[in-house]
Amino acid sequence: EDKVVQSPLSLVVHEGDTVTLNCSYEVTNFRSLLWYKQEKKAPTFLFMLTSSGIEKKSGRLSSILDKKELFSILNITATQTGDSAVYLCAVVRGGSEKLVFGKGTKLTVNP
Amino acid sequence: NAGVTQTPKFQVLKTGQSMTLQCAQDMNHNSMYWYRQDPGMGLRLIYYSASEGTTDKGEVPNGYNVSRLNKREFSLRLESAAPSQTSVYFCATTFLADAYEQYFGPGTRLTVT
Repeated sequence: EDKVVQSPLSLVVHEGDTVTLNCSYEVTNFRSLLWYKQEKKAPTFLFMLTSSGIEKKSGRLSSILDKKELFSILNITATQTGDSAVYLCAVVRGGSEKLVFGKGTKLTVNP
Repeated sequence: NAGVTQTPKFQVLKTGQSMTLQCAQDMNHNSMYWYRQDPGMGLRLIYYSASEGTTDKGEVPNGYNVSRLNKREFSLRLESAAPSQTSVYFCATTFLADAYEQYFGPGTRLTVT
């Protein structure tokens, strides 16, 4: 059975801190891993990673995938209160139409 | 472009009542999904439709039925609502699941009393 485990489940930091969110997975015929940000509404897409060792970057957010060790990390530098959200990780099998989501990491950034 | 739309936004039902949640997309995507989200449980797949005319069960299909009416619309029906179905329901779409991201609708908050 495909499995996605995110850690930590919750995290409280101060503005300006750097955070690292973790996502480990077990999936047959891995195809891609996705990160989403969810504030008090629908999840919004951040990154899709398919190749190991290639960093995806968008502003202060970056993510990298390690297909050998079966995990991904999402880094946020110089955090802001607007980064407060639940961050979701999901994986897809090759040829599958289904995403399997982790339970998410709730990040709270205090001023 | 509206993207992915869902109706209604909020609904309160009594146990045993039925209702249909509607989802529509104007993104010309092939695949559509229904998820439910409960506190601490992440997103769990209820049903999905890889293409028009096909539907498949996800992780938690019991108590639900779906219809892929055409390429644009995918509805979720609760025939006899139960308090355990109190949740936030999200519809999502993608062009091709293993190569493109899913786009989510705004969600429907359902309470069953």
